[in-house]
Amino acid sequence: LAKTTQPISMDSYEGQEVNITCSHNNIATNDYITWYQQFPSQGPRFIIQGYKTKVTNEVASLFIPADRKSSTLSLPRVSLSDTAVYYCLVGGRNDYKLSFGAGTTVTVRA
Amino acid sequence: GAGVSQSPSNKVTEKGKDVELRCDPISGHTALYWYRQSLGQGLEFLIYFQGNSAPDKSGLPSDRFSAERTGGSVSTLTIQRTQQEDSAVYLCASSLEYGGSTYEQYFGPGTRLTVT
Repeated sequence: LAKTTQPISMDSYEGQEVNITCSHNNIATNDYITWYQQFPSQGPRFIIQGYKTKVTNEVASLFIPADRKSSTLSLPRVSLSDTAVYYCLVGGRNDYKLSFGAGTTVTVRA
Repeated sequence: GAGVSQSPSNKVTEKGKDVELRCDPISGHTALYWYRQSLGQGLEFLIYFQGNSAPDKSGLPSDRFSAERTGGSVSTLTIQRTQQEDSAVYLCASSLEYGGSTYEQYFGPGTRLTVT
């Protein structure tokens, strides 16, 4: 699995956009980029997955530059309930052993 | 539709006792996974089921741990002769085996196991 690096923590305020960048310099050709969210005392929740360019769903957007050595998860207009740990993963489409690093703790304040 | 469910949500047991943890995956998901997460630790893979068979048991920490899946649905993780180091949150996840990425897994709420 490609190693990923992301900030340990980020603070934001309600209504702002939060962008979390993940570095994955040794990403392989067949690797996908996947993001999970985890609230305290809950299981992780799949947010979004992409391979290149931009992916958007009802929760977030994922921006992936052409070299794919990094990616940015964008959470539009965050609310207090978006306070959670966000994990960036890189792996092949048929990889199944999820492995989380420290993740990014996003704290949204009123 | 219903998500992944796990029971019990909390389990406190004495050292040396056996425990069984149950997981009900999302209907139609043929792949099922067990993980555990300790306080301050990352996610630790335990076992993967494809249907009723377990092609990858590499994450089971010792022979005190076993798991089975019946009818391609419900799974049970059994820990025999529990030890204090087994205390953790045990998470179950499921995913589509075909037509979807196995990195897209759906987790249950977990079972918090405390061994005293």
